Amino acid sequence: NAGVTQTPKFQVLKTGQSMTLQCAQDMNHEYMSWYRQDPGMGLRLIHYSVGAGITDQGEVPNGYNVSRSTTEDFPLRLLSAAPSQTSVYFCASRKTGRNQPQHFGDGTRLSIL
Amino acid sequence: AQSVTQPDIHITVSEGASLELRCNYSYGATPYLFWYVQSPGQGLQLLLKYFSGDTLVQGIKGFEAEFKRSQSSFNLRKPSVHWSDAAEYFCAVGASKAAGNKLTFGGGTRVLVKP
Repeated sequence: NAGVTQTPKFQVLKTGQSMTLQCAQDMNHEYMSWYRQDPGMGLRLIHYSVGAGITDQGEVPNGYNVSRSTTEDFPLRLLSAAPSQTSVYFCASRKTGRNQPQHFGDGTRLSIL
Repeated sequence: AQSVTQPDIHITVSEGASLELRCNYSYGATPYLFWYVQSPGQGLQLLLKYFSGDTLVQGIKGFEAEFKRSQSSFNLRKPSVHWSDAAEYFCAVGASKAAGNKLTFGGGTRVLVKP
């Protein structure tokens, strides 16, 4: 019963490096999203997708890219890492509909030096 | 635009005492409201949700929340706190389909439980 799986759990990068955070779900959910969590700011939406081939920007999209080639996978790419992107990143998925609850992964803790 | 405010950043409560976490929202239509809990190093787990109907909703782990439209509030309560309730709690409001069904979170309230 995997749910939402995020890899890696921890990562340290140097400024300017690029990397991809992986997210996969096995619940056939149409809606997937990426959040970053910073102290005192709750979770802020980076990008989201309402289905394969469709993505849109959230509240804080700058510096991040996403794609959704399959229903199951929704990777988040950092193009050129900056210290301001040091955060904990959460992927979530749910069925379409505003009354559907989000299912969250366990997070990726990312540090940019 | 929708927003959620959790006025209390930290709350300390004794084990066995009651707990109330405040949540105020701003949304132009009927809100869809959620409470999530996050244990250290974990993702968020849904405690309860409100869409319509009875304004007092029951959730998991003995939590309940009351929707008060006149006060734009959705406060979370538990009559008797257990040490395992120490965690961070997030209130969230869901947007309309036209706005992408996006979920907006409050800043969170960290609960510490004293023995």
